[in-house]
Amino acid sequence: GAVVSQHPSRVICKSGTSVKIECRSLDFQATTMFWYRQFPKKSLMLMATSNEGSKATYEQGVEKDKFLINHASLTLSTLTVTSAHPEDSSFYICSARGVQSAYEQYFGPGTRLTVT
Amino acid sequence: GQNIDQPTEMTATEGAIVQINCTYQTSGFNGLFWYQQHAGEAPTFLSYNVLDGLEEKGRFSSFLSRSKGYSYLLLKELQMKDSASYLCACNRDDKIIFGKGTRLHILP
Repeated sequence: GAVVSQHPSRVICKSGTSVKIECRSLDFQATTMFWYRQFPKKSLMLMATSNEGSKATYEQGVEKDKFLINHASLTLSTLTVTSAHPEDSSFYICSARGVQSAYEQYFGPGTRLTVT
Repeated sequence: GQNIDQPTEMTATEGAIVQINCTYQTSGFNGLFWYQQHAGEAPTFLSYNVLDGLEEKGRFSSFLSRSKGYSYLLLKELQMKDSASYLCACNRDDKIIFGKGTRLHILP
């Protein structure tokens, strides 16, 4: 099946710094990528949808200036958490959908962000 | 608006059958997913229903009634490794919107 990777898998940063998380589709071209966050024992919350070469569409309540998303190529999307605070600590998961799939999304393994 | 409801937790015994229900209200509905998620891992795809009816895939079956806004996931011959969260999710305007998930505990 299709493979999506995320890097890093875990990151610890200090308050006020920025952190970049990469999401890559390894064996297919991802026209659309999605970013989710998940708090402990809670479900995944969709943050934004990004299409290659265009601006991301953010869900209501998600600050676009704080969570910068770039989808510069068909295999890579990045999420940058700017000026991170402890409340940004969460599990961030990306998913990708290819041209050949009308609905199926393939999830990355997730990135655990801890802000101290 | 949108609303996806499923029980928070369920417990079942190894070898038994369990049914996890999900009700939803959402605009732009295209279909319904079920995902399995083990703690600290990404969700893995179980099923996708677009049309009404039951779809069986090995030990897992999924049912959808679009008119009732209702779905269920049926797990047979439960194994300890089935202990996980099961996420009901709607395909809404080509986005996947998740419910809060049901944590399933399997007892030996």
